[in-house]
Amino acid sequence: GAVVSQHPSWVICKSGTSVKIECRSLDFQATTMFWYRQFPKQSLMLMATSNEGSKATYEQGVEKDKFLINHASLTLSTLTVTSAHPEDSSFYICSSGATKNIQYFGAGTRLSVL
Amino acid sequence: QKEVEQDPGPLSVPEGAIVSLNCTYSNSAFQYFMWYRQYSRKGPELLMYTYSSGNKEDGRFTAQVDKSSKYISLFIRDSQPSDSATYLCAMIIGETSGSRLTFGEGTQLTVNP
Repeated sequence: GAVVSQHPSWVICKSGTSVKIECRSLDFQATTMFWYRQFPKQSLMLMATSNEGSKATYEQGVEKDKFLINHASLTLSTLTVTSAHPEDSSFYICSSGATKNIQYFGAGTRLSVL
Repeated sequence: QKEVEQDPGPLSVPEGAIVSLNCTYSNSAFQYFMWYRQYSRKGPELLMYTYSSGNKEDGRFTAQVDKSSKYISLFIRDSQPSDSATYLCAMIIGETSGSRLTFGEGTQLTVNP
């Protein structure tokens, strides 16, 4: 299957700092990427849909100013958690569709905010 | 009512057992069905992708779709300890790459050696 690379896999930061997570499609061009958040023993919760060259579409209840998404190229989308707080600690996962609607996922980023 | 219902388990089986994982859904607009496997602290990995009623087999895995009953299943034959993971069913309506997935809650499976 297609490869989606996500970096970093684990990040620890101090409260109040910002953290950037990168999601790259390595062998295909991704006009759309998705960002999810996952809490322990729960399913994935869609945060936003990232569209290349345009503004992201955020799900209800997700703060746009807290979770900044940039999709500047067909192979890279970034999620920046701004002014992170301990409640933002979670597992963040990106995905992208390679062909039709088959989505492939990155390995995920574990964010720990102290 | 959730659009997709999946028994969260946990499900524990002995090595070599046949495992049956199931999801039901309420939205008849779902056309494409996927099963993902997720190991702890990893992203989901696509196992099976189907779009028509019937069975699709890939090695030890068989995906079954019954659109009339709005029911999908994943069977794992000769289960191995390495199959221990959370299995997520997912469904999608549209055909474009921008279509969003709807997930089940995931079933946690443990295969005991």
